[in-house]
Amino acid sequence: EAGVAQSPRYKIIEKRQSVAFWCNPISGHATLYWYQQILGQGPKLLIQFQNNGVVDDSQLPKDRFSAERLKGVDSTLKIQPAKLEDSAVYLCASSFPGKAPAFFGQGTRLTVV
Amino acid sequence: SQELEQSPQSLIVQEGKNLTINCTSSKTLYGLYWYKQKYGEGLIFLMMLQKGGEEKSHEKITAKLDEKKQQSSLHITASQPSHAGIYLCGADNSGSARQLTFGSGTQLTVLP
Repeated sequence: EAGVAQSPRYKIIEKRQSVAFWCNPISGHATLYWYQQILGQGPKLLIQFQNNGVVDDSQLPKDRFSAERLKGVDSTLKIQPAKLEDSAVYLCASSFPGKAPAFFGQGTRLTVV
Repeated sequence: SQELEQSPQSLIVQEGKNLTINCTSSKTLYGLYWYKQKYGEGLIFLMMLQKGGEEKSHEKITAKLDEKKQQSSLHITASQPSHAGIYLCGADNSGSARQLTFGSGTQLTVLP
């Protein structure tokens, strides 16, 4: 069974530029999560989707971050414009409804310079 | 909100030594997940504990959840360089929107 797929693996951008990350969840997983992990800290939830609807985006900095999951499968997370403090690993996870997210993708490591 | 505290923050051991990492919750744990991570990469699921007093093992790694379900430990026996990495514990919030809240991680270095 294929795992959670994320791309790109690494990205370096200048501050004020925009960037987008992509996630393809495990087949059949209706719930999708995006986490931000600043190196040296634990992951922090940014947004949770159930199918194509948002369940929780209370910790998403909505002035610069946006996420969508239009067809209830793949998801994209965008940052526009990026700040230095957005340098982090962005992790995607998925699960069946009513289950905690046990399985994570390989992450996208973003460096903002 | 639930908070998880991991200790120690970092650990350096000689190959072959045993070690323990602890994870303490501010609230009763509904479910506790352990992950391993290489620096800057994704999380690798190790084990999940849900019942008080539960203990699970995989190869040389054993995880336990205490009877009161507020503390978990991860024990590695006869450590190897392949065990090196960051170990994270995550708490299942058990709410209608199932989410994980994570500790800050333990950085493990195993010296050959």
